[in-house]
Amino acid sequence: ETGVTQSPTHLIKTRGQQVTLRCSSQSGHNTVSWYQQALGQGPQFIFQYYREEENGRGNFPPRFSGLQFPNYSSELNVNALELDDSALYLCASSLPGLAGETQYFGPGTRLLVL
Amino acid sequence: AQTVTQSQPEMSVQEAETVTLSCTYDTSESNYYLFWYKQPPSRQMILVIRQEAYKQQNATENRFSVNFQKAAKSFSLKISDSQLGDTAMYFCAFMKHLYNNNDMRFGAGTRLTVKP
Repeated sequence: ETGVTQSPTHLIKTRGQQVTLRCSSQSGHNTVSWYQQALGQGPQFIFQYYREEENGRGNFPPRFSGLQFPNYSSELNVNALELDDSALYLCASSLPGLAGETQYFGPGTRLLVL
Repeated sequence: AQTVTQSQPEMSVQEAETVTLSCTYDTSESNYYLFWYKQPPSRQMILVIRQEAYKQQNATENRFSVNFQKAAKSFSLKISDSQLGDTAMYFCAFMKHLYNNNDMRFGAGTRLTVKP
């Protein structure tokens, strides 16, 4: 069984640019959640995708957007990057449709905005 | 809104000893889920243990156990026989009981160091 994978592992961008981060969910999981973890803090929920539809969103502006594909992999897109977007971005997948399902995390993408 | 508080930014313990990490949360929900995740320097979040709020029995997983006090909204993690590999950030997390929508709210974390 393949776990959750993310690419790239590290990324450096400049302010104002756009970035796309990718996530492949664990086998059998069709729900993907994205989190932002600033240095020294706990992860903060960005949004969740279930069956290719956004299914819940945290307190993040519209320049944070996403996609989920038919194979349940997902992308996180961030437009007009700001310095405060520098963080570890975590993707987590879970089993479909049940309440309280455990989320399994990928290793994250470290984004640095200069 | 649900909030999760971890009041111990850093803790240390000697190898083979026992340590308890604290977590409190605030919610008006009656049914929910609580988790402890471990994040070693490799960055990957690893599930340590989970607890369903409707279950009175405290969850245990090998050397890890919780003390779940629903009325007090407290969810502490006890690590017995600490090992060097337990050195990591530990995050407490809360999840509402909702179908098809299971975002988690995390605390700020506790950095645990196990000393030889």
